[in-house]
Amino acid sequence: EAGVAQSPRYKIIEKRQSVAFWCNPISGHATLYWYQQILGQGPKLLIQFQNNGVVDDSQLPKDRFSAERLKGVDSTLKIQPAKLEDSAVYLCASSLTPAVGQRYEQYFGPGTRLTVT
Amino acid sequence: GEDVEQSLFLSVREGDSSVINCTYTDSSSTYLYWYKQEPGAGLQLLTYIFSNMDMKQDQRLTVLLNKKDKHLSLRIADTQTGDSAIYFCAPSGDNNDMRFGAGTRLTVKP
Repeated sequence: EAGVAQSPRYKIIEKRQSVAFWCNPISGHATLYWYQQILGQGPKLLIQFQNNGVVDDSQLPKDRFSAERLKGVDSTLKIQPAKLEDSAVYLCASSLTPAVGQRYEQYFGPGTRLTVT
Repeated sequence: GEDVEQSLFLSVREGDSSVINCTYTDSSSTYLYWYKQEPGAGLQLLTYIFSNMDMKQDQRLTVLLNKKDKHLSLRIADTQTGDSAIYFCAPSGDNNDMRFGAGTRLTVKP
């Protein structure tokens, strides 16, 4: 079974530029997550999709970050304009859709390391 | 304060046991996970415990949960150099929303 795919693996941009990351979840996984992991910290959830709808985007800085999952499969996360503090690893994860009381493992991709200079 | 706290570093000798501790604040956490992250890699689920359990053993891994004190620990028996990594504690609620600690960097010395 193929895992979660992300691209690019690395990206270096200057502040105020824009950048986009792509994620392809595991086939059949309806729920998709984007996390931001700043160096020395644990991952922080930015946004959670179920199919093509947003379940939770409470921690997404909506003035500069946007994400979409138009067909309920692949997803893109965009930052425009980037700031120095956006330097981090952006992780994508997917899972089957959890029901209340059920547990489904989140499978993580390798991440995209963003450096903003 | 932080929702999930872990000590940042742990160093052990090969063959010893490692114990990684975690405290959390959300008493409604349903599942409590331990993830491993090796350099340049994504997160790998190691094990988890359901909130109505106080212990779970899985080969070399033992998870202990003190729900009253909101304290979780991961014990790795016979620690090997391949266990060197960052370990994250991540309590989760009913809707699969995980809150990660900052991670504990485990170094195993030969």
